[in-house]
Amino acid sequence: DIQMTQSPSTLSASVGDRVTFTCRASQSVSDLLAWYQQKPGIAPKLLIYKASTLENGVPSRFSGTGSGTEFTLTISSLQPDDFGIYYCQHYDSDPCSFGQGTRLEI
Amino acid sequence: EVQLVQSGAEVKKPGESLKISCKGSGYSFTSYWIGWVRQMPGKGLEWMGIIYPGDSDSRYSPSFQGQVNISVDKSINTAYLRWTSLKASDTAMYYCARHGPGPQGTAWYFDLWGRGTLVTVSS
Repeated sequence: DIQMTQSPSTLSASVGDRVTFTCRASQSVSDLLAWYQQKPGIAPKLLIYKASTLENGVPSRFSGTGSGTEFTLTISSLQPDDFGIYYCQHYDSDPCSFGQGTRLEI
Repeated sequence: EVQLVQSGAEVKKPGESLKISCKGSGYSFTSYWIGWVRQMPGKGLEWMGIIYPGDSDSRYSPSFQGQVNISVDKSINTAYLRWTSLKASDTAMYYCARHGPGPQGTAWYFDLWGRGTLVTVSS
């Protein structure tokens, strides 16, 4: 099975900052990579799929890049509502495992 | 409205059985795989398994194979997650979520989530 590793585990930033999350796959997953945001007590929300395609309704300050084994999620200008935990997930083959998450503190 | 509605929180004792549900509406339920995701307290997301309501084909993560059973009743647009003998370590939030389209959609992302069912197992 493919393992997903995210870094850092926690990220502290200020409103207006540019922040970047990293996700690595144990083997190539092409561009079959999704990103989710989860806030406390709420179900995860899909942000990006196919490594760089923004889900409908997701603000354009979110962007994703990468292919193969290395991926990044960037928030261009951090907003107060962006706190939470961010997870990557590959979907190259089942089981479509998640990374362990990066906690974003504002 | 396109949504997944999950059954309510459960409190069970070790050794008891349990079946939780996830009802889809607002879209063609039989055309998309439905998956289950576990989130233990304070921990991350774990992909448990998926089922295709069209023909009840199912896939499991090796970590959950034999530990749970995923089923579906397409006549009422509802998927289920079942345990025959709960353990304290099954205490978690369980989310259902819409997975890939069509019979080939076993490798996909989750684009629609239920609110979760909290399962607490304690003596």
